Amino acid sequence: DAKTTQPNSMESNEEEPVHLPCNHSTISGTDYIHWYRQLPSQGPEYVIHGLTSNVNNRMASLAIAEDRKSSTLILHRATLRDAAVYYCILGNYGGSQGNLIFGKGTKLSVKP
Amino acid sequence: ETGVTQTPRHLVMGMTNKKSLKCEQHLGHNAMYWYKQSAKKPLELMFVYSLEERVENNSVPSRFSPECPNSSHLFLHLHTLQPEDSALYLCASSHQGGLPDTQYFGPGTRLTVL
Repeated sequence: DAKTTQPNSMESNEEEPVHLPCNHSTISGTDYIHWYRQLPSQGPEYVIHGLTSNVNNRMASLAIAEDRKSSTLILHRATLRDAAVYYCILGNYGGSQGNLIFGKGTKLSVKP
Repeated sequence: ETGVTQTPRHLVMGMTNKKSLKCEQHLGHNAMYWYKQSAKKPLELMFVYSLEERVENNSVPSRFSPECPNSSHLFLHLHTLQPEDSALYLCASSHQGGLPDTQYFGPGTRLTVL
């Protein structure tokens, strides 16, 4: 299974942008890059996904390196509610279903 | 509100008890999952059901028994658990067949085995 590497923790100030990095040097051509986050005392929630091109949605932006071996989740203006563990996951859809393999993620702290 | 509900939210049980966790999804999905999240460990996939058929069992001990009576409901039957089984049990659902297969999680059941 393709794996990802993320920093254990990061800190941000409220209302500033946050760039969460992820390395996935063994990514295959069929792997999508997913980001989920888990707020305290909740289940994970989907944030964004991409394959090759950069992606934007109402929650965040995803910047994917040209060689696809790394990506960055961008929160444009961090709020206190964005404090969570952020997971970068490769979803392989080469088989009959895509199972997500979670790592330890990056714990984001947001300071007022 | 994610469309996936789990009951109970908290459960304390003895090692000789039998209990069940329930998950219900209101999203019209055709796949459902059980995950285990132990303290300071990544989420571990336990079981996957697709169209009510179990398609994956990640070497889970037989004291955990899943049941999927229809595409909206998923149960995890528990019996003779061990204290190390104490964890957050998360249910998720997805619409398989689409690419990618985004999973929607419930809030989890916090299980404590005494």
